[in-house]
Amino acid sequence: EVQLVESGGGLIQPGGSLRLSCAASGFTFSNYWMHWVRQAPGKGLVWVSRINTDGSTTTYADSVKGRFTISRDNAKNTLYLQMNSLRAEDTAVYYCARVLITPAGTSVGAYHYWGQGTLVTVSS
Amino acid sequence: EIVLTQSPGTLSLSPGERATLSCRASQSVISNYLAWYQQKPGQAPRLLIYGASSTATGIPDRFSGSGSGTDFTLTISGLEPEDFAVYYCQQYGSLPPYTFGQGTKLEIK
Repeated sequence: EVQLVESGGGLIQPGGSLRLSCAASGFTFSNYWMHWVRQAPGKGLVWVSRINTDGSTTTYADSVKGRFTISRDNAKNTLYLQMNSLRAEDTAVYYCARVLITPAGTSVGAYHYWGQGTLVTVSS
Repeated sequence: EIVLTQSPGTLSLSPGERATLSCRASQSVISNYLAWYQQKPGQAPRLLIYGASSTATGIPDRFSGSGSGTDFTLTISGLEPEDFAVYYCQQYGSLPPYTFGQGTKLEIK
C-alpha cells in the first residue's frame, strides 16, 4: 500500500524556518518525481515545488523561490521541504504528492497519491 | 501561467441527479493534460480523472471527464451521497506552475 506521511509542521514566527518531511512507503520512491502542494485555510490548492527522481532538477513557484528548498533522500525514502524566511501568507496545509505513472508508462504531473498534510502556521 | 476558471462556484443537486462541472483554461492545455480531483473536508484530494478523460484506478464509473484545448468537463452521473465535496481541476501540461482551478463545491440540495 502506498503511503506518504508528512511531518514537521507547526507554529512558527514570521522570518523563521521549518523543515517538512514526507516519508514514503509501498512503492519504489527513487522512480518517481515528487511534488509539494499547499492549501491555505479555506482556500484552494497551490503547487509549490517539484523534484526529479535523483534530486538533480528542482522547480519552484515564484512565491517561494529563493526561500524554499526541496530535496530528497532516496536511501531513506524521504522527501523534504526546507522553508526559510517564512511569511504569514505561507500559512497552509502542506501536502507531498506522488506523480502518476500512466498505463503507457509515462510519468505525468497528475497526483496519484497524496499525504495527509501537515499544517504550517506562521504567526507572531 | 495558465489560469483555470471553474464554474459554477457552487452546485446544489440532489442524490441521483447528474452533475456537470466546467473548467476553462486561459490558453490551450498541452496534450490535454488536465486532471480532476475530489476533496472532502479534512482530507487530502483524490485523483479522479487524468488526461482529461482517463479514469484513475478505483474510481467509480459514474465519474467521467471530457473536453480538449481550453474547455473541460467533469460529469458525475447519478450522484451518490458520498460525492458531495469540492472538486478541483488542474493542468500539468506546461512547465510549472501546475495550476489548479479555484474549485467547485457540490452540495446537497
